[in-house]
Amino acid sequence: AQSVTQPDIHITVSEGASLELRCNYSYGATPYLFWYVQSPGQGLQLLLKYFSGDTLVQGIKGFEAEFKRSQSSFNLRKPSVHWSDAAEYFCAVGPSLKAAGNKLTFGGGTRVLVKP
Amino acid sequence: GAVVSQHPSWVICKSGTSVKIECRSLDFQATTMFWYRQFPKQSLMLMATSNEGSKATYEQGVEKDKFLINHASLTLSTLTVTSAHPEDSSFYICSAGLAGGQQYFGPGTRLTVT
Repeated sequence: AQSVTQPDIHITVSEGASLELRCNYSYGATPYLFWYVQSPGQGLQLLLKYFSGDTLVQGIKGFEAEFKRSQSSFNLRKPSVHWSDAAEYFCAVGPSLKAAGNKLTFGGGTRVLVKP
Repeated sequence: GAVVSQHPSWVICKSGTSVKIECRSLDFQATTMFWYRQFPKQSLMLMATSNEGSKATYEQGVEKDKFLINHASLTLSTLTVTSAHPEDSSFYICSAGLAGGQQYFGPGTRLTVT
């Protein structure tokens, strides 16, 4: 069965510092990987996705993620955090079928707090 | 593009009553929509997959008679929580699946059952 693990429940980072959120997955085939961000009381916004090709993918809001097949990881990074980046971040994995009916499995989420 | 709306954004109902939540794709057609439930400070739990014109597929452990899903058109799916009880209080989020394999999420509906 597929699973996604986000080892860090909370991360506190100073504004302007770099941020890295960890994501490890277990999947029996080539995965389709996503990072979503959720602000309090809101839905999820897609930050970036990886399906194939270049293993370093760029997303919105200055985020990037690197797919490492050997480590089954898809870590999210941002070089310089802004106060508005305080939110909950979810990693998700789905089948690489690119179908509308693809179910996603979500990690437990990492809450990011930004100190001024 | 790919905007998904939900209505209402929050609702309070009395125990024993039913409440309907609408999920709409505003600028595209969605043959597949998903319904999730999210408890405070927890991840999303998939409840069911809704396909236009056919019965929804429920995840294991989700009561299909309690959580009625209807996907009558390519832009609208509804979730009705029947005979709601306080334990049904939660944040319900819908998403629309697109052919590229990703999902676009609605803003969520906060349900409180008193």
